Amino acid sequence: DAKTTQPTSMDCAEGRAANLPCNHSTISGNEYVYWYRQIHSQGPQYIIHGLKNNETNEMASLIITEDRKSSTLILPHATLRDTAVYYCIVRSPDFGNEKLTFGTGTRLTIIP
Amino acid sequence: GAGVSQTPSNKVTEKGKYVELRCDPISGHTALYWYRQSLGQGPEFLIYFQGTGAADDSGLPNDRFFAVRPEGSVSTLKIQRTERGDSAVYLCASSLTPLGSTEAFFGQGTRLTVV
Repeated sequence: DAKTTQPTSMDCAEGRAANLPCNHSTISGNEYVYWYRQIHSQGPQYIIHGLKNNETNEMASLIITEDRKSSTLILPHATLRDTAVYYCIVRSPDFGNEKLTFGTGTRLTIIP
Repeated sequence: GAGVSQTPSNKVTEKGKYVELRCDPISGHTALYWYRQSLGQGPEFLIYFQGTGAADDSGLPNDRFFAVRPEGSVSTLKIQRTERGDSAVYLCASSLTPLGSTEAFFGQGTRLTVV
């Protein structure tokens, strides 16, 4: 699975949109981009994933560049409960490849 | 319960002792995963079960670590002759089917401290 690069930390004001970038320049054609987050003392929580097209769900939006070498997770109206470590993961859905390879993620702090 | 349940939530053991960590996956989920998370790091894959069988145990660090899932539901991670370096949070996750392009649901983890 391709390696990802994320900023170590970010701050965002409460109520504003939080934009978390991720670089995955070596991504292969069949690899998906996943985002998970981990709130303090909890297990990781799935947010969203995508292959090529932009995706949106009730939690967030995922914008993937046309060349697929980078992506941005957008939390449209950040709240204090969104303070967490956010992990960008690239993974192929090949049979037998069941691992999620977490990096160190981005520590997002929402400022009141 | 609705989510993945792990017990105990905290475990303190002496170096050299044997420990067992339990995971109750979401009912009906056929795939089960164990991860280990050290302080300041992201979770690291240990082992994956599809049903009762360990389909991928490539992440187990050495032969002191072993996991079972005898009836395809509850899983136990077993660590023999614990070492201080085994101290970490051990996370269990499950998914309805093998991941494909779907999501895994994680428990809150067991914090293991070896003293």
